Amino acid sequence: QKEVEQDPGPLSVPEGAIVSLNCTYSNSAFQYFMWYRQYSRKGPELLMYTYSSGNKEDGRFTAQVDKSSKYISLFIRDSQPSDSATYLCAMSGMVQGAQKLVFGQGTRLTINP
Amino acid sequence: GAGVSQSPSNKVTEKGKDVELRCDPISGHTALYWYRQSLGQGLEFLIYFQGNSAPDKSGLPSDRFSAERTGGSVSTLTIQRTQQEDSAVYLCASSLALGGVGYTFGSGTRLTVV
Repeated sequence: QKEVEQDPGPLSVPEGAIVSLNCTYSNSAFQYFMWYRQYSRKGPELLMYTYSSGNKEDGRFTAQVDKSSKYISLFIRDSQPSDSATYLCAMSGMVQGAQKLVFGQGTRLTINP
Repeated sequence: GAGVSQSPSNKVTEKGKDVELRCDPISGHTALYWYRQSLGQGLEFLIYFQGNSAPDKSGLPSDRFSAERTGGSVSTLTIQRTQQEDSAVYLCASSLALGGVGYTFGSGTRLTVV
């Protein structure tokens, strides 16, 4: 079993739709939960991060973390064609004495005009 | 520099040749990471540096892979006797300190072994 599971998609939705992206994880040592956005032929860029459980909102984006269920989500409201990219979840924490950052497989998202 | 710089951006090499990939992190960032991203796969951790030291090399896929960092700045990832399965995008990231958030990625080196 992978430490972080993410549905690779692809996911295709019409412009204006609400998008929900999710990841599950198995290691309870993770403390920071991140979402990266990666455009084609570019490196991932940090979109949002959350420390421990809870919600965080930034404009049209909302990140949720449920540590009891080991489940994180990213919601995109009023989706735009410019949101079309691959979204990767990532999580970090001290695991067996070493700092570890683990990424999900990434979900390829297309917003259709 | 303003961001993480990687060179070359693209590299095509023949099977069996050695290649060197370079990463120039953000000035002042003490931690540097190498990841590999294959088509349809997530980011596979290879190695990280804290300063010039690499405490954990277990992520390197084989002994054909090696990495070094000098002066707490530029890092080089070397792949010897390249194989076709080494074809991937090699991404470098840096951060102010180890752990937490705030990793800044470069645009990667797209390696194709023919």
